[in-house]
Amino acid sequence: DTGVSQNPRHKITKRGQNVTFRCDPISEHNRLYWYRQTLGQGPEFLTYFQNEAQLEKSRLLSDRFSAERPKGSFSTLEIQRTEQGDSAMYLCASSLDGAGLGYTFGSGTRLTVV
Amino acid sequence: QKEVEQNSGPLSVPEGAIASLNCTYSDRGSQSFFWYRQYSGKSPELIMSIYSNGDKEDGRFTAQLNKASQYVSLLIRDSQPSDSATYLCALPNYGQNFVFGPGTRLSVLP
Repeated sequence: DTGVSQNPRHKITKRGQNVTFRCDPISEHNRLYWYRQTLGQGPEFLTYFQNEAQLEKSRLLSDRFSAERPKGSFSTLEIQRTEQGDSAMYLCASSLDGAGLGYTFGSGTRLTVV
Repeated sequence: QKEVEQNSGPLSVPEGAIASLNCTYSDRGSQSFFWYRQYSGKSPELIMSIYSNGDKEDGRFTAQLNKASQYVSLLIRDSQPSDSATYLCALPNYGQNFVFGPGTRLSVLP
């Protein structure tokens, strides 16, 4: 396990469909974060887990978005009833402590809603 | 929500020159600052962090912090075409997440 793994790398879906992304963090990292990035912008925070507990959610995380980390290891991010505005790169990151030491990001999942 | 501002660029420099990337932030109480590099189509990777006023050097990279002016910069000496990327400035937000600037796109011309 050499890094943060995200699947799938790319996802094309029709508007209104549900999609689910998976993130496997670095194994010893207890904190896991989801960010969204659109073209020409920096990543925007969505939510964060410490172990299995979801401790923080952004206002960007509408009720169509849900994230889980059931056993404190991998995490899933589900988007229900996708909209074209959901098209973005979804980035997962993990860290061993808080924001003090920076993150390790995964390769991301690029979502295109058509 | 803290705010981070960066000139979006593109910043073009010739190979071998010094590239200077700048970032300003809104919250005077911010204590730590991070620079990430992001190649096109890839995810951000951490290249440097800085916590104290002054300069911090790591190879060809130097981070500079001036808390009084709420300004942090990244200098890249002897720029190479492989340094062409978007450079993101980030700092811890309230809570446990980061707030990122929009990034500056750097182009190093051979």
